[in-house]
Amino acid sequence: DTEVTQTPKHLVMGMTNKKSLKCEQHMGHRAMYWYKQKAKKPPELMFVYSYEKLSINESVPSRFSPECPNSSLLNLHLHALQPEDSALYLCASSQAYRFEQYFGPGTRLTVT
Amino acid sequence: GDSVTQMEGPVTLSEEAFLTINCTYTATGYPSLFWYVQYPGEGLQLLLKATKADDKGSNKGFEATYRKETTSFHLEKGSVQVSDSAVYFCALSPLEGSNYKLTFGKGTLLTVNP
Repeated sequence: DTEVTQTPKHLVMGMTNKKSLKCEQHMGHRAMYWYKQKAKKPPELMFVYSYEKLSINESVPSRFSPECPNSSLLNLHLHALQPEDSALYLCASSQAYRFEQYFGPGTRLTVT
Repeated sequence: GDSVTQMEGPVTLSEEAFLTINCTYTATGYPSLFWYVQYPGEGLQLLLKATKADDKGSNKGFEATYRKETTSFHLEKGSVQVSDSAVYFCALSPLEGSNYKLTFGKGTLLTVNP
């Protein structure tokens, strides 16, 4: 089973809202990732968790706040977003760094 | 730094045509190489991978061979179907150093007409 699940599938939020994206995997992977993908572009890395600890923050604005409650779950908390943050947010996991990454279906976020 | 260059799209083919999507890379050491596919409205799916020189990755009729001498990992399929219409991303992951980032090419949109 190589499934990564993400909820919700779609999310519309205003600039003053607080919302969260959720990601789950049950493959025993110890590295988990958040990506942002704009239309017709490749995914851009945002955060990396390794063994439930934040390893990399790719200079992401503080209005995005990641959280890894346990080895299977990854959250992305959103607050005071801007319209330009509208994108497809993808979660991925891998056995460890440098192994192939498995992606979830993504959350389509629209900020109004 | 590491980089991946893949052929510009879009690519439009008729069903049962032969497909080649070119991918070349620049990296230090010996990276792992991947092809990902993204169907409309979906996330990325790992299509195939190769971890060392001369490895051939294959899946669902697609193939790619890790060519160290030409730093290439071209994607091929002998007979495409309408259902293969998607965006294809070539990517690399370094095996050495602290840069663990998955570096993607810009993507190639493939449209297969019946």
